[in-house]
Amino acid sequence: QKEVEQDPGPLSVPEGAIVSLNCTYSNSAFQYFMWYRQYSRKGPELLMYTYSSGNKEDGRFTAQVDKSSKYISLFIRDSQPSDSATYLCAMSAGTGGFKTIFGAGTRLFVKA
Amino acid sequence: EPEVTQTPSHQVTQMGQEVILRCVPISNHLYFYWYRQILGQKVEFLVSFYNNEISEKSEIFDDQFSVERPDGSNFTLKIRSTKLEDSAMYFCASSETSASYEQYFGPGTRLTVT
Repeated sequence: QKEVEQDPGPLSVPEGAIVSLNCTYSNSAFQYFMWYRQYSRKGPELLMYTYSSGNKEDGRFTAQVDKSSKYISLFIRDSQPSDSATYLCAMSAGTGGFKTIFGAGTRLFVKA
Repeated sequence: EPEVTQTPSHQVTQMGQEVILRCVPISNHLYFYWYRQILGQKVEFLVSFYNNEISEKSEIFDDQFSVERPDGSNFTLKIRSTKLEDSAMYFCASSETSASYEQYFGPGTRLTVT
């Protein structure tokens, strides 16, 4: 079983839709959960991070972590064509240089 | 806004040659990281570095790889004898504190080994 699983998509939605992106993981030691956005041939850009279980909201983005199910989600409200990118989930077991494990990324297309 | 920079943007080298990829992390950051992304695949952790020492490394980071902070601003990744399978995007990242969940990535160096 892979440590982090993420559906690669592509996911195509109309402008204004609510987007749901998800990852599952197997390592119960993961404590920090991140979402990155990556445009083609660019470096990942940190969107938000969450510690342990719970929800976190930042503008149109909401991250959810359910450690009991080993399942994390990113919701994008009122999606825009500029949100079209690959979204990467990432996780680590601790701080201080602990390695970060990435999912494969989900390609999202928001159609105008 | 401060950002991580990487040079060169694209490096072409022959198999067996040594390459050095360079990064300038954000100036007040203390933790540094290298990742690679083979075309069409996921981002993979290579190594983390703090206080002039490797904090953690993955199984990918074998004896062919080394990292160095030669001065107060640069952070380098050296591949001693490149192989075809080393062809990938290499990303440098840095974080201000031990909070490795808050890393900022550079634009990457595309390494092509022929």
